[in-house]
Amino acid sequence: EIVMTQTPLSLSVTPGEPASISCRSSQNLLNSDDGHTYLDWYLQKPGQSPQLLIYTLSYRASGVPDRFRGTGSGTDFTLKISRVEAEDVGVYYCMQRLELPWTFGQGTRVEIK
Amino acid sequence: QVQLVQSGAEVKKPGSSMKVSCKASGGDFSSYPISWVRLAPGQGLEWMGRVTPNLGVSHYTQKFQGRVTITADKSTSTTYMDLGSLTSDDTAVYYCALDYGIGMDVWGLGTTVTVSS
Repeated sequence: EIVMTQTPLSLSVTPGEPASISCRSSQNLLNSDDGHTYLDWYLQKPGQSPQLLIYTLSYRASGVPDRFRGTGSGTDFTLKISRVEAEDVGVYYCMQRLELPWTFGQGTRVEIK
Repeated sequence: QVQLVQSGAEVKKPGSSMKVSCKASGGDFSSYPISWVRLAPGQGLEWMGRVTPNLGVSHYTQKFQGRVTITADKSTSTTYMDLGSLTSDDTAVYYCALDYGIGMDVWGLGTTVTVSS
């Protein structure tokens, strides 16, 4: 199975400042048949179910603010938050959807200073 | 849009089995895969497996192979996740989630399962 590794595991950010989370996969997540990279990002806020933030590398899910951006290629990926807000606290996960079984990174806990 | 309603919290004995349900309402259920994901205390999200109701096909992660069964009943728009031979390590919140082809973008509220003697 594809192994996903996130760094850092925790992050403390001042409101209004940028933040980024890295994710690395053990295999290239590019599907050569359709040209898409199957890397998604999820956020689990305290006391809530996980929610989809970014799908297929860089597409924002419905209702996700444009301060969230997914970038990367191959095996290296980044979730960037341009200006962190208080509501962004929670645990962020990358997940590969290239092949079954789908696998998550360990999660990155983001807190507000 | 589809909403997913999960069954209520359970307490189970070690060695027993659990069966959690996830009922879809408000849209097309059968054409899209439904996954089960769990969050154990102090751990991260863990994808367990999924079923595509129209096809009746299930896939599982190796860790749970032989111990988990995920099924779908199209007549009631309900997905079930059976997990056997429970240990305390299976104490977790179990989520079902629907994939419209862009990842898991509809989630249930979760079912808390506690395994304790």
